[in-house]
Amino acid sequence: NAGVTQTPKFQVLKTGQSMTLQCAQDMNHNSMYWYRQDPGMGLRLIYYSASEGTTDKGEVPNGYNVSRLNKREFSLRLESAAPSQTSVYFCASSPGTSGFSSYNEQFFGPGTRLTVL
Amino acid sequence: GNSVTQMEGPVTLSEEAFLTINCTYTATGYPSLFWYVQYPGEGLQLLLKATKADDKGSNKGFEATYRKETTSFHLEKGSVQVSDSAVYFCALSGVRDGGSNYKLTFGKGTLLTVNP
Repeated sequence: NAGVTQTPKFQVLKTGQSMTLQCAQDMNHNSMYWYRQDPGMGLRLIYYSASEGTTDKGEVPNGYNVSRLNKREFSLRLESAAPSQTSVYFCASSPGTSGFSSYNEQFFGPGTRLTVL
Repeated sequence: GNSVTQMEGPVTLSEEAFLTINCTYTATGYPSLFWYVQYPGEGLQLLLKATKADDKGSNKGFEATYRKETTSFHLEKGSVQVSDSAVYFCALSGVRDGGSNYKLTFGKGTLLTVNP
């Protein structure tokens, strides 16, 4: 199993350009997430998808859109990139089990390093 | 809302020194607690977890005990190695969010450097 894969690994954009970050998981997980990581800020949740067919905003959704293409794939789109979106982007997935337990481990991809000039 | 506070870094130690990274949390209900590790240039990996009060998570010589009375989950290792140099994140998983999803709340991370 490859786990969580992300493409591309690196990307440089000019302000105003658009691009889509791809994420796929082969663990049959229900839930998927997009985070950004900035120095001194930890990880901040951008969007998440609790299950196939649903998406919800996280902590910092402005300037981004997402698509849960199917159970395996969850993409993040920047419609008009800005320098403030320079960051490392991580995709994660989790089983997303129902029930009363509050435990749910997340599995992370290797990240996409995005620079917006 | 939920929050996690972990000690500011960076932390620099010599090989074989004792490590403690403090983590405290604020949450409603009974969250699960995690420590993740991020090696340079990589994504996050789960290091250990605890799902209820007084549970001790352990892995690779690292330990952390879920202390509900002090709302803490401090990470410890008795003898660090150069290969432990990484960023460590404390996180908690909140209660069910209206469906089959459990969001994680992360601390800001602590950079550990271990010198030979």
